[in-house]
Amino acid sequence: EVQLVQSGAEVKKPGESLKISCKGFGYSFTSYWIGWVRQMPGKGLEWMGIIYPGDSDTRYSPSFQGQVTISADKSISTAYLQWSSLKASDTAMYYCARLIVGAKFDYWGQGTLVTVSS
Amino acid sequence: DIQMTQSPSSLSASVGDRVTITCQASQDISNYVNWYQQKPGKAPKLLIYDASNLETGVPSRFSGSGSGTDFTFTISSLQPEDIATYYCQKYDTLPIFTFGPGTKVDIK
Repeated sequence: EVQLVQSGAEVKKPGESLKISCKGFGYSFTSYWIGWVRQMPGKGLEWMGIIYPGDSDTRYSPSFQGQVTISADKSISTAYLQWSSLKASDTAMYYCARLIVGAKFDYWGQGTLVTVSS
Repeated sequence: DIQMTQSPSSLSASVGDRVTITCQASQDISNYVNWYQQKPGKAPKLLIYDASNLETGVPSRFSGSGSGTDFTFTISSLQPEDIATYYCQKYDTLPIFTFGPGTKVDIK
C-alpha cells in the first residue's frame, strides 16, 4: 500500500530554521516526483515545488523560489522541506504528495502543521 | 502565467441534488485539469484526472468534462459525505501546477 508519512507538528519562533519530512512507503520512491503544497489557515492549496528523488532534480513555484529548500534522501525514501529563517506568515499546513504521469497528485501525506509565533 | 478561476466559491444544496462547479483557464490548457476533494481536517483526495477520467475507487456520481479553457465538475446526486471543498488543478509546462481557489459544498 502506497503511503506518505509526514513528520509531526512544529511550533517555532520567527527567525528559527526548520526541516520537515515526508517518508514514502509501498512503492519505488526514486521513480516518482514528490510535491509540496501549502495551505494557510482557512485558505486554499498552493503548489510550492517538486523533487525527483532519483536524481534530486528540483523545480520550484516562482512564488516559493528562494523562500524554501526542497531536498531528498533516496537511501531512506524521504523528502524534505526546509526554511532557514521562518516568518509568522509561514504558519500553515504543509502536505507532500506523489506526482504521477498526467501531472496528478495521487497520494498525499497527512500534513504537517507549522506554527510560527513569538 | 495562466490563471484559473473557479465558481462558485461556495454552494448549498440538498441531498440528491445535482451540483456543478466550473473552472476557467485564461489560456488553452488542453485537458490538463484535475479535481480534488478536501474534507475538513483531511488531506486532499484526487477524484478526476485529465479533465474527465474517474480515479480508481471514486464513486461514479462524480464526473468531469471540458477541454481548452472551460472545465466542469459534477456531482450527479449529492450525498452527506460529499461535504467538502473541491479544487481544480491545472498543469502547464515549466512545470507549473496551479490550484483553483476552491468551492465549498454544504448541505442545505
